Amino acid sequence: AAGVIQSPRHLIKEKRETATLKCYPIPRHDTVYWYQQGPGQDPQFLISFYEKMQSDKGSIPDRFSAQQFSDYHSELNMSSLELGDSALYFCASSLVPRGRSDYGYTFGSGTRLTVV
Amino acid sequence: AQKITQTQPGMFVQEKEAVTLDCTYDTSDQSYGLFWYKQPSSGEMIFLIYQGSYDEQNATEGRYSLNFQKARKSANLVISASQLGDSAMYFCAMREGTGRRALTFGSGTRLQVQP
Repeated sequence: AAGVIQSPRHLIKEKRETATLKCYPIPRHDTVYWYQQGPGQDPQFLISFYEKMQSDKGSIPDRFSAQQFSDYHSELNMSSLELGDSALYFCASSLVPRGRSDYGYTFGSGTRLTVV
Repeated sequence: AQKITQTQPGMFVQEKEAVTLDCTYDTSDQSYGLFWYKQPSSGEMIFLIYQGSYDEQNATEGRYSLNFQKARKSANLVISASQLGDSAMYFCAMREGTGRRALTFGSGTRLQVQP
């Protein structure tokens, strides 16, 4: 079965550079979520999209932006990178059944960003 | 206040024994979902088990079971017959309310299975 695909798997950037992370959700999944997991930390929700519109917003820095495209893939754009942005970035997708709340999430393998 | 609390930063268990990982949660929503994920050292987030707030029976998935005590707001993960491959970080997470909600994670418990 197709899973959530994230690219690249690893990324090394210098301070003040920009980075773009990509996420390809499971086909027919209608919602995409982005999470940031710092070293030794739990994942923190950044932002989510439903049908290409922003659905919810978490602790996403102003330097970051994201969007979902017509083919449902999503990109997380990070500018003016700081050392503290070094983290594992997860994308997850879900299909929310109408009128039901017992849906799950499928996570991608993550992109490990290192800022030097 | 913490939404999800995992009070055990690290746990050790002997191979073939059972282990319980604790999780308490805080929400005022009547509808919510509780999840457990396993994160091995490779980093991927692996779904283990789910319990809905309206589910009357405890969820089970193979060697994993969830001890759901709604009045105490606890959702402990029980792993039976531990295997060396169970050594990983385990996260408890919650989705509050209905609709397209993101998960809130606890701080995790690192489980080490000893031979």
